Amino acid sequence: GEDVEQSLFLSVREGDSSVINCTYTDSSSTYLYWYKQEPGAGLQLLTYIFSNMDMKQDQRLTVLLNKKDKHLSLRIADTQTGDSAIYFCAESIAGGFKTIFGAGTRLFVKA
Amino acid sequence: DVKVTQSSRYLVKRTGEKVFLECVQDMDHENMFWYRQDPGLGLRLIYFSYDVKMKEKGDIPEGYSVSREKKERFSLILESASTNQTSMYLCASSSGVGWYEQYFGPGTRLTVT
Repeated sequence: GEDVEQSLFLSVREGDSSVINCTYTDSSSTYLYWYKQEPGAGLQLLTYIFSNMDMKQDQRLTVLLNKKDKHLSLRIADTQTGDSAIYFCAESIAGGFKTIFGAGTRLFVKA
Repeated sequence: DVKVTQSSRYLVKRTGEKVFLECVQDMDHENMFWYRQDPGLGLRLIYFSYDVKMKEKGDIPEGYSVSREKKERFSLILESASTNQTSMYLCASSSGVGWYEQYFGPGTRLTVT
């Protein structure tokens, strides 16, 4: 069945880079997403990548996609305390209509 | 500014009670979703709806039902609440045409005692 896996916790120092990794199983995924959830709030789309791309850069964010290994990563450069949140990896399946979410990685940034 | 609102942020109910969770979106989206979020399990899809009066079971529909009488409103119903339904419930919507970003509400934290 469809599955998205990611580690549950990551701790970094302020100013360092954070790398959050994710693996997915459905090779027919159209889009892959990173959502961010801040405390007490719902999820918000952070960035996304089309399945035919290898990399996408958006300011401090870099998304890398290895389709062969079904591996997705999110790199946050110059991590700030405001980046502390839960980051969810997600893939769209079933022609893009259904989205499967990972368990979420809690990023803790030490000042 | 796009908006998905949920009727309550926090709710405490007793075992056996019927519980209604309401979600409203103002983006004229066709698709609406109900998820529950539990630590270490991420988001699990309960039900979704792709049109008014249409609904489809997600991965964990047991113990839940839904209602979508109007396009902007999607209700989740717990017919007889149980303690294992204590969770965070998140509603989302998406346009369903081409781009599938889901917009989420702030969540309802339900405690069943």
